[in-house]
Amino acid sequence: RKEVEQDPGPFNVPEGATVAFNCTYSNSASQSFFWYRQDCRKEPKLLMSVYSSGNEDGRFTAQLNRASQYISLLIRDSKLSDSATYLCAVTVKAAGNKLTFGGGTRVLVKP
Amino acid sequence: DADVTQTPRNRITKTGKRIMLECSQTKGHDRMYWYRQDPGLGLQLIYYSFDVKDINKGEISDGYSVSRQAQAKFSLSLESAIPNQTALYFCATSDFGLAGNPGELFFGEGSRLTVL
Repeated sequence: RKEVEQDPGPFNVPEGATVAFNCTYSNSASQSFFWYRQDCRKEPKLLMSVYSSGNEDGRFTAQLNRASQYISLLIRDSKLSDSATYLCAVTVKAAGNKLTFGGGTRVLVKP
Repeated sequence: DADVTQTPRNRITKTGKRIMLECSQTKGHDRMYWYRQDPGLGLQLIYYSFDVKDINKGEISDGYSVSRQAQAKFSLSLESAIPNQTALYFCATSDFGLAGNPGELFFGEGSRLTVL
């Protein structure tokens, strides 16, 4: 089993709709959680950090469920510009705080 | 100019050739990383360095080596390239972060390597 797993998608989303997707992690000692956004053929960039139960930034909400070992990302009022691949990343402090990435979830927002 | 610069951006080479990918940064970060990305597999950590005298293996270091020439420079070498090393390679830097948590990763634009 991979340490960090994501549904690869694509999630086809009508413009203006809400989309949510999860990222599961296998190590219960995981401590820090992140969502990175990667546009096609570009480098990943940090979207949100999730240090406690959740975080909200505008139209984006990230939640952490430690009991079930997953984090989620919800995008409200989707824009065409939200089309991208969303990578989750997890760290385990005992493992030197290195980030382990999931395979990414591709989101396509359509008019 | 980009804060994290990778060269070359694209390279096609043949099996058995030695390849070096270079990374330089102007962010002043001590921590530097090399990742490879294959379709659907996310980013896999090859090597990382927390300061000039520190080099650590990541998840998939076999077939790769690195050199941290200075705080700002971290190069990745493939001593004898093979076709399954065809991938997109990213260099990244980070600071220490807050309260023991890792800092944000800042990535270069990537180096696309094709091994024939």
